[in-house]
Amino acid sequence: EAAVTQSPRNKVAVTGGKVTLSCNQTNNHNNMYWYRQDTGHGLRLIHYSYGAGSTEKGDIPDGYKASRPSQENFSLILELATPSQTSVYFCASGEGTGADTQYFGPGTRLLVL
Amino acid sequence: GEKVEQHESTLSVREGDSAVINCTYTDTASSYFPWYKQEAGKSLHFVIDIRSNVDRKQSQRLIVLLDKKAKRFSLHITATQPEDSAIYFCAASANSGTYQRFGTGTKLQVVP
Repeated sequence: EAAVTQSPRNKVAVTGGKVTLSCNQTNNHNNMYWYRQDTGHGLRLIHYSYGAGSTEKGDIPDGYKASRPSQENFSLILELATPSQTSVYFCASGEGTGADTQYFGPGTRLLVL
Repeated sequence: GEKVEQHESTLSVREGDSAVINCTYTDTASSYFPWYKQEAGKSLHFVIDIRSNVDRKQSQRLIVLLDKKAKRFSLHITATQPEDSAIYFCAASANSGTYQRFGTGTKLQVVP
């Protein structure tokens, strides 16, 4: 079965601080995604990647950067965290195009004070 | 771009009854429609999908219907059980699309 892991699982950060959320997948999937989940908004795509070295903007990229140094790893970086970025963040991987099943990690709960 | 609307934010059904969750989409190029389930405090996992070359697909107690003309698709859960209680997300993507767009989720509660 697909295995996507995230770290940390919970994070408290201060406003203006730098936060890095990490994701690792062992499925050898080309595509990886970062979403945030907020009540009333469902899942919104922040950044995604087609493979090592590639990052693309999703629907809400402002305030976020992404890094895909290898097939397995995809990071989400908040250079200057703000309270509005308090949310639950999910990483996912998928085989081919968007028209394939996505496998989600367990999520990271981020609180920015 | 594509917009997916999920019409019921909450739904309560009696155990054993059927539940129906409806979604609409805007992009006529959308051709892949997955559903994901999120149990309380957990992550999402895939439950069933349908592609635009068919209008009905069934997997055990789950049935997905697709009406391309109305740009509408729905998830039917028959003979509901307490373990069906969860948030269900619909999504849509074009075959050549790079990512899926999600609805806002429907919280299904199955009451005894």
